[in-house]
Amino acid sequence: AQSVTQLGSHVSVSEGALVLLRCNYSSSVPPYLFWYVQYPNQGLQLLLKYTSAATLVKGINGFEAEFKKSETSFHLTKPSAHMSDAAEYFCAVSDDNTDKLIFGTGTRLQVFP
Amino acid sequence: DAGVTQSPTHLIKTRGQQVTLRCSPKSGHDTVSWYQQALGQGPQFIFQYYEEEERQRGNFPDRFSGHQFPNYSSELNVNALLLGDSALYLCASSSYGLAGVPGDTQYFGPGTRLTVL
Repeated sequence: AQSVTQLGSHVSVSEGALVLLRCNYSSSVPPYLFWYVQYPNQGLQLLLKYTSAATLVKGINGFEAEFKKSETSFHLTKPSAHMSDAAEYFCAVSDDNTDKLIFGTGTRLQVFP
Repeated sequence: DAGVTQSPTHLIKTRGQQVTLRCSPKSGHDTVSWYQQALGQGPQFIFQYYEEEERQRGNFPDRFSGHQFPNYSSELNVNALLLGDSALYLCASSSYGLAGVPGDTQYFGPGTRLTVL
């Protein structure tokens, strides 16, 4: 069965600093991987997704993620954090044969001025 | 182009009651999935509807049931509410079509916050 693990339930960075949110997946087949962002009291917004077309995936708001099969990782990065990036971030994987999403437990990003 | 909409925004119920939540998918989408997000947790898949039938189901009891209408909108019903049912309920829509391939993007609504007292 597919699963994802997000390391670090809370990450704090200064404005302008690099953002790195970690996600490792478990899959017996090439996975479809997603990053979603959730702002307070809102639903989930898709940041980016990996579907095997390219290992480096660029998303919205300056975020990108790199698929590394050897490390079973799909970490999310942004070169320079902005105050508006403060939110909860979820990594997710599609189930083997369907589009059901399996989510990690989330990482709360705080950005300090 | 309207996105996924859900109603109501908030709901307060007492234990033992029944609740119905509603979802309208994004224009052009024919598949609706429901997720439960408990406080401090990631969303958990409840079930998915396509062509007015439950296509797949997560690990939730029969107290959770749903329906999809011909216009693709959907309802989630929860009977005999428990305190543990308090959560944000998210609806997501996608386009299954003939392929139904994994990796189709799901678009989420803002959710319904259910509080069970």
